[in-house]
Amino acid sequence: QSALTQPASVSGSPGQSITISCTGTSSDVGSYNLVSWYQQHPGKAPKLMIYEVSKRPSGVSNRFSGSKSGNTASLTISGLQAEDEADYYCCSYAGSSTSWVFGGGTKLTVL
Amino acid sequence: EVQLVQSGAEVKKPGESLKISCKGSGYSFTSYWIGWVRQMPGKGLEWMGIIYPGDSDTRYSPSFQGQVTISADKSISTAYLQWSSLKASDTAMYYCVSGVGASFDYWGQGTLVTVSS
Repeated sequence: QSALTQPASVSGSPGQSITISCTGTSSDVGSYNLVSWYQQHPGKAPKLMIYEVSKRPSGVSNRFSGSKSGNTASLTISGLQAEDEADYYCCSYAGSSTSWVFGGGTKLTVL
Repeated sequence: EVQLVQSGAEVKKPGESLKISCKGSGYSFTSYWIGWVRQMPGKGLEWMGIIYPGDSDTRYSPSFQGQVTISADKSISTAYLQWSSLKASDTAMYYCVSGVGASFDYWGQGTLVTVSS
């Protein structure tokens, strides 16, 4: 199965908002409301930021939000902070035979 | 508090076998599934497979089917990822992950596997 498609990099200034897209197919993103997003700082394990398209785990800032339209999911970070600089990965459930597929990752730079 | 603690870094030669572990604590081990995610140096995340410790039902990504074996011992709350014959291309960080639904809620600290002659 092919990885989900994310932009390689995005950037923004402190206080601004950015959106990272994640494009899949009708077999994964388009078929299930089971998209999740992960934040990974260098040398650290990834951390769950959004699950089931738009739900935030306890402890995750409400500056992070998720949405989906058709085969594309999006992660929006508002009020950018220096600590948000990291790699971000989307992931979608893709059915019982394939199960899960990740995006290629997006490097967020806070200018 | 849910914790996943993985075994330490490994350095192996091509052709050798290896089994790394992931011990769960702070929750009922058989209530959550456990999976494995690969991250090759400088690259992204790849889902490898999962196991349901309660009944040992195991699923693999098509990319990893036949290349690795996932198992679990619920008596000691530990999951395993093993290779019978390592290749240089298996060099990567391996994370165990766990959750109840369709997201990877909890992550281990990672096990770095280096395969080099």
